Parts: sequence; C-alpha cells; structure tokens
Amino acid sequence: EVQLEGSGGGLVQPGGSLRLSCAASGFTFSDDPMNWVRQAPGKGLEWISNIRADSTAYYADSVKGRFTTSRDNGKDLLFLQLNSLRDEDTAVYFCARDVHFSFDSWGQGSLVTVSS
Amino acid sequence: QSALTQPASVSGSPGQSITISCTGGSNDVGSYNHVSWYQQYPGKAPKLVISEVTERPSGVSNRFSGSKSGSTASLTISGLHPEDEADYYCSSYAGTFTWVFGGGTKLTVL
Repeated sequence: EVQLEGSGGGLVQPGGSLRLSCAASGFTFSDDPMNWVRQAPGKGLEWISNIRADSTAYYADSVKGRFTTSRDNGKDLLFLQLNSLRDEDTAVYFCARDVHFSFDSWGQGSLVTVSS
Repeated sequence: QSALTQPASVSGSPGQSITISCTGGSNDVGSYNHVSWYQQYPGKAPKLVISEVTERPSGVSNRFSGSKSGSTASLTISGLHPEDEADYYCSSYAGTFTWVFGGGTKLTVL
C-alpha cells in the first residue's frame, strides 16, 4: 500500500523559513516523480512543485525563487524548503505521487501558518 | 498558470446525474489529454477519481465518468449517492512538468 506521511509544518513569521518532509513507503520511491500541492484555508488546491526522479524540479510562478523541492531517493524522503514566507503562503501542504500525469496518492497534509 | 474554471457549486437529488465542467485554454486542457479529477471531503486529502480524461482508477465507482471536448473537460456522476457530497477539483497538465487546478466545485446531494 502506498503511504505518504508529511511532517514539519508549524507557525513561522513573515520572511521566515521552514522545511517540510514527506516520507514515502509502499512503492519504489526513486522511480516516481513527486509533487507538492497546497490549499489555503477555505480555498482550492494549488499545484506548486514537481520533482522528477532525477531530482530536476519545476515550480509554479507563485513560489519560484522562494521554495525549493528536493528528494533523498536512498531514504525515500521528499522535501520542500520554504523561504521568504508571506502571509499568503499560509496553507496545508500536501505531497502527492505523480503517476502518468495525475496525482494518485496523497499525504495527509502539513499546516504552515505564516503570521507575526 | 491561470486556474481552470469550474462552477462554484452544483446540486442534485439521490439517484440523479450531475455534470461538472472544467474550462481551460490552449496551454492546458486544450492541448493535453492529461486531465484528472479529485474528490475531497472537508479536512481530508484529495482522492483521484478520474485520470487521463476518462480513466477510472481501481476502486472508484463506475458511476464516475469523464470526458473532454476542446478546452472543456467534464466529470459526470450518475446515480447520486449521499456520500458523493464533497468538493471536486479538476486538474490539467500545462506543459514542462507544470500543472493547473480548477477552483473547485461543491457538490450538494439534496
């Protein structure tokens, strides 16, 4: 069974940084691209990043230059480094596996709150 | 990277069918057959219900079906059940390993 477990959320001040993690199990993590998707309180889903198996990463314009996605294929871990955080980055951040251009498995989400 | 357009809400009675539309443009829905639909209950992670416009993942009820015409994709749920009441999101591949979601549609089963 595919499982994704996110961690690392919390309260951070504007301009601050945070790192989210997503632990994968139940599949060959090193073979599959992964994604980060976020959801602001009461709002819809927003795709923010995809990372290929070879660690090449792609980003939405809204986070480009501030967020960095990485992965450790030896430890089955996905990471999202969030820098220069803004109020509007407050959201639940989901990790999701990419299979044939759709997101077939999702983590439970990690809440990031940006507030002074 | 503009969001896809979905109706904010739809409703139907048990047993009826509903259709949710998802309109994009030439850079996403109109160019790729990589349209997916997700069901989300409050406080939960989304669940994939349709991939590649029409494909139903294992375990998803055959009451869920998808289609696409031009730059508009659609999700149809037939024979509505009370447990279908949820938020539904479409998503489309938009090239160069980027994706875009719709704004979401709240389905109410009356």
